[in-house]
Amino acid sequence: NAGVTQTPKFQVLKTGQSMTLQCAQDMNHEYMSWYRQDPGMGLRLIHYSVGAGITDQGEVPNGYNVSRSTTEDFPLRLLSAAPSQTSVYFCASRGQGAGNTEAFFGQGTRLTVV
Amino acid sequence: GDSVTQMEGPVTLSEEAFLTINCTYTATGYPSLFWYVQYPGEGLQLLLKATKADDKGSNKGFEATYRKETTSFHLEKGSVQVSDSAVYFCALMRDYKLSFGAGTTVTVRA
Repeated sequence: NAGVTQTPKFQVLKTGQSMTLQCAQDMNHEYMSWYRQDPGMGLRLIHYSVGAGITDQGEVPNGYNVSRSTTEDFPLRLLSAAPSQTSVYFCASRGQGAGNTEAFFGQGTRLTVV
Repeated sequence: GDSVTQMEGPVTLSEEAFLTINCTYTATGYPSLFWYVQYPGEGLQLLLKATKADDKGSNKGFEATYRKETTSFHLEKGSVQVSDSAVYFCALMRDYKLSFGAGTTVTVRA
C-alpha cells in the first residue's frame, strides 16, 4: 500500500541552491497538489494539477515550479532556495468525481534553507 | 476567497475529558467540509467529512455536523484518550482545492 510517496524526507539546502522534491502516487488519481506547512498557518497551497499536462498556481506559488508529465508523478522544483522556504512540504492526491473528496497525503519533506 | 478559522491551541486535556474544537468557514456556494488529523512525524489523514448541510461526519468517536446557518463544523469527542494527541485541521474543499485552518494541537495526559 504505497499511496503517496515523497522523497526525500529531510533536506538541508544553502541559499541559492536548487532542488526537486519528488512526489509519486499509485492510486491513478487525477488531482495532485503541493502544500507547505508553517507554524500557526496551517497548510497553504503552492501548486496543483488536475491531470497530466495541466498545472495551476495556488496561494503561494512564488519561487516554485511544477510539471505533470505523467499521472503518477508531480515534482516540485525550488529554483533558487531562500530561507523563507524553510518549511514542511506535503504532496496530496485525490481521485476524480464528486464522490472522491478524500485527499491522501504523503509523509512530508522537511526542508531547511540556511 | 475561501477561508477557515479554527480555535487556537494548544489544548491540554486529561484522559476521558470532553474535547471540542471550534471551526467556522467563509466560502461561496456549498463546500465540502473536513477534519484532518496529523500524528507526530506523519502526514495528514482524513478523520471525518460532511458534504452537505446538516450532514454529520463521524469516525473513531469524533463527530462534527455541517451547520450552514452558522457556517460551522465543530469537532467533538466525548472521552479522549492519550492516543488522540495530535494536530487537528479543519478544511473545506471547493472546486479542486482544499483550504485549511491553522491547526489545533491537542495533548491528552494520562
